[in-house]
Amino acid sequence: EAQVTQNPRYLITVTGKKLTVTCSQNMNHEYMSWYRQDPGLGLRQIYYSMNVEVTDKGDVPEGYKVSRKEKRNFPLILESPSPNQTSLYFCASSFSGTYNEQFFGPGTRLTVL
Amino acid sequence: QQPVQSPQAVILREGEDAVINCSSSKALYSVHWYRQKHGEAPVFLMILLKGGEQKGHEKISASFNEKKQQSSLYLTASQLSYSGTYFCGTENTGNQFYFGTGTSLTVIP
Repeated sequence: EAQVTQNPRYLITVTGKKLTVTCSQNMNHEYMSWYRQDPGLGLRQIYYSMNVEVTDKGDVPEGYKVSRKEKRNFPLILESPSPNQTSLYFCASSFSGTYNEQFFGPGTRLTVL
Repeated sequence: QQPVQSPQAVILREGEDAVINCSSSKALYSVHWYRQKHGEAPVFLMILLKGGEQKGHEKISASFNEKKQQSSLYLTASQLSYSGTYFCGTENTGNQFYFGTGTSLTVIP
């Protein structure tokens, strides 16, 4: 089944404890992206990647890191999480760039205490 | 650069029609529409790539006015399953993507 998977789905952590949210797609998509969703602010892009080893900042990159070592994986790293990073995170992928349908993962709900 | 949607929220009875508008202060190269049901991930509805383009998806269709930097999503004869939050979206020249502010649509029996 073609899909985007994220893990974990739910995470409660404490300020400063490094964490990684994994994202993987099995559709051989070139473009991958991370979004955060907050009430009243909608979905905002954190980072995106056009292809392996190519990543760029989105609208709200501060406090996040990403890497794209393999085409299928695009992990999101929070080196020192803070409470303002409490949010719902979505990973998405598309065949090539933004002129295509984006397929979303199920989301990761992160709470930073 | 986030597109602005209107209305923010709308409540419909089954069978009624609705229009959701999306406008941008910057040039729109294309317009995407997504629907997100409560507790779920956004799901793609359609993309309009050229000004003047119109597309349909079941009873949901959209138009794109490139000159006015606007797009509208039309929902006709609404069904309960249409409930959710609708987002438009667009990109800049560098493949950065922006979702709109969102419109909450509730269809009641």
